[in-house]
Amino acid sequence: EAGVVQSPRYKIIEKKQPVAFWCNPISGHNTLYWYLQNLGQGPELLIRYENEEAVDDSQLPKDRFSAERLKGVDSTLKIQPAELGDSAVYLCASSPRRGSEQYFGPGTRLTVT
Amino acid sequence: GIQVEQSPPDLILQEGANSTLRCNFSDSVNNLQWFHQNPWGQLINLFYIPSGTKQNGRLSATTVATERYSLLYISSSQTTDSGVYFCAVSYNFNKFYFGSGTKLNVKP
Repeated sequence: EAGVVQSPRYKIIEKKQPVAFWCNPISGHNTLYWYLQNLGQGPELLIRYENEEAVDDSQLPKDRFSAERLKGVDSTLKIQPAELGDSAVYLCASSPRRGSEQYFGPGTRLTVT
Repeated sequence: GIQVEQSPPDLILQEGANSTLRCNFSDSVNNLQWFHQNPWGQLINLFYIPSGTKQNGRLSATTVATERYSLLYISSSQTTDSGVYFCAVSYNFNKFYFGSGTKLNVKP
């Protein structure tokens, strides 16, 4: 069984530029999470989807961040415009159903210069 | 939200030694996971353990939900056990809250 796939693995952009991250969850997993992980800290939830519905996006900075999960499968997280403080690892995870065991992708390491 | 505290924050072991990592949480939970983040950043599932005890090879975990803690035991540690260990909890099947992790360094 394939795991959670994320791309790109690394991204370097200049501040004020847009950037997008893509996630393909494990087949059949209804719940999808986007997390942000700063150096030396645990992951923090940005947004959670149940199928195609965003059910928890309270931590998503909506002035510059947006996300979508079309058809309840793949998801895209976008930042526009990026700021220096957005440099971090962006992790995607999926679960078979709400609150069950999470499986993480390898993450995208973003560097904003 | 739920506060999650992990201890110790850093741990250095000689290969072959045993260790216990602790996760305390501030409120009732009905889901708890232990992860190992390897040096390449990949989070690997170790245990999904809302309560009780589980074992997988040299690793075992115990969660006492009524007392709001979980323990991860590593026996006969190996250099490949190095990395950061995270505990994550959730209540009512909603968002997971992560601790700050225990950074383990196993020396040969």
